[in-house]
Amino acid sequence: DAKTTQPPSMDCAEGRAANLPCNHSTISGNEYVYWYRQIHSQGPQYIIHGLKNNETNEMASLIITEDRKSSTLILPHATLRDTAVYYCIVRRNNAGNMLTFGGGTRLMVKP
Amino acid sequence: DVKVTQSSRYLVKRTGEKVFLECVQDMDHENMFWYRQDPGLGLRLIYFSYDVKMKEKGDIPEGYSVSREKKERFSLILESASTNQTSMYLCASSLRGTGGRDTQYFGPGTRLTVL
Repeated sequence: DAKTTQPPSMDCAEGRAANLPCNHSTISGNEYVYWYRQIHSQGPQYIIHGLKNNETNEMASLIITEDRKSSTLILPHATLRDTAVYYCIVRRNNAGNMLTFGGGTRLMVKP
Repeated sequence: DVKVTQSSRYLVKRTGEKVFLECVQDMDHENMFWYRQDPGLGLRLIYFSYDVKMKEKGDIPEGYSVSREKKERFSLILESASTNQTSMYLCASSLRGTGGRDTQYFGPGTRLTVL
């Protein structure tokens, strides 16, 4: 799996957009970018994934740069319940489907 | 919505006890996984299964075994619990797929303490 780099922590005001960056400069052409989050003492929760096009779902938007070396997860209107550790993962092919989480970004949404 | 449930949120056991952790998913997923998560070590794969009665070792299988008798259920067994198995245990499931289309869905986790 390609290595990812994320800032260890970020703050965001409630109601504002939270933009979480991820660098994955060694990503291969057929590797997807996945985002998960983990709220304290809970299991990880899938958010979104993409290959090269931008993606949007009911939780978030994923913006992938044209060279695919970085991406940004956007929570359009952050709430206090979005406080969590956010993990950016690049998925290798035929890896036995194993997930590997790095350090992630601890997002603190403040009132 | 995919639902992955685990039998207990919190469990306290004594050294040497046999421990069963149960995981059930309701989405007819072929793949199921057991991870443990420890501070500073991230998520580590213990065992996974691609099909009923099939199992594969992950990165840290020592001291654990698994059972998959039915498609929806994947059990993790600690034959003789030890204090270094105190951890958060996470079960996940996914559809069989390739190239990143096999999104994994996690259960709420079981925090096991071995005294």
